[in-house]
Amino acid sequence: DAKTTQPPSMDCAEGRAANLPCNHSTISGNEYVYWYRQIHSQGPQYIIHGLKNNETNEMASLIITEDRKSSTLILPHATLRDTAVYYCIVRAGGGSYIPTFGRGTSLIVHP
Amino acid sequence: KAGVTQTPRYLIKTRGQQVTLSCSPISGHRSVSWYQQTPGQGLQFLFEYFSETQRNKGNFPGRFSGRQFSNSRSEMNVSTLELGDSALYLCASSLQPQSTDTQYFGPGTRLTVL
Repeated sequence: DAKTTQPPSMDCAEGRAANLPCNHSTISGNEYVYWYRQIHSQGPQYIIHGLKNNETNEMASLIITEDRKSSTLILPHATLRDTAVYYCIVRAGGGSYIPTFGRGTSLIVHP
Repeated sequence: KAGVTQTPRYLIKTRGQQVTLSCSPISGHRSVSWYQQTPGQGLQFLFEYFSETQRNKGNFPGRFSGRQFSNSRSEMNVSTLELGDSALYLCASSLQPQSTDTQYFGPGTRLTVL
């Protein structure tokens, strides 16, 4: 399964857009890109996922490059409650699969 | 719809003891996966159960085991506890196997081994 690379930390001003990048250069054609976030000591929360098209939901937007080797999670108007560790993972489209979460990006939203 | 629930939320044990953690998946979900999270190793996959059968297993010693019941509820057991087993244990459920479906996580059980 493809591995992902994320910056260890980022910060963002409240009310501005937070753009969190993820590199998954070895992704296979049937693998999905998933984003979760984890607020301190809570369980990870599902945010969004996509295969090759850009996706948007009430929480965020996911932009996947045409070659699918990288993606960006966009929180359009970050709030203090968005401070969390954000994980980008690549999930198989079936078969045997061992999820690998990596270290994620610690996003700090400041006033 | 209720989310994934885990009991107990906090647990303190001593070395050598065993522990059983419980997970109730979202109603209708048939897959339950377990993870261990520590500051040093991050979030690591333990195993997955689907329709009462273990589908996948991570790289953990045999002291870590689990099972799933016919109502999809799952338990994991750790025997002969070691100090390094202190961690947040997370359970996640999905409708289908987690290789093909979105997982939703519970709040976790914080285990402290003294």
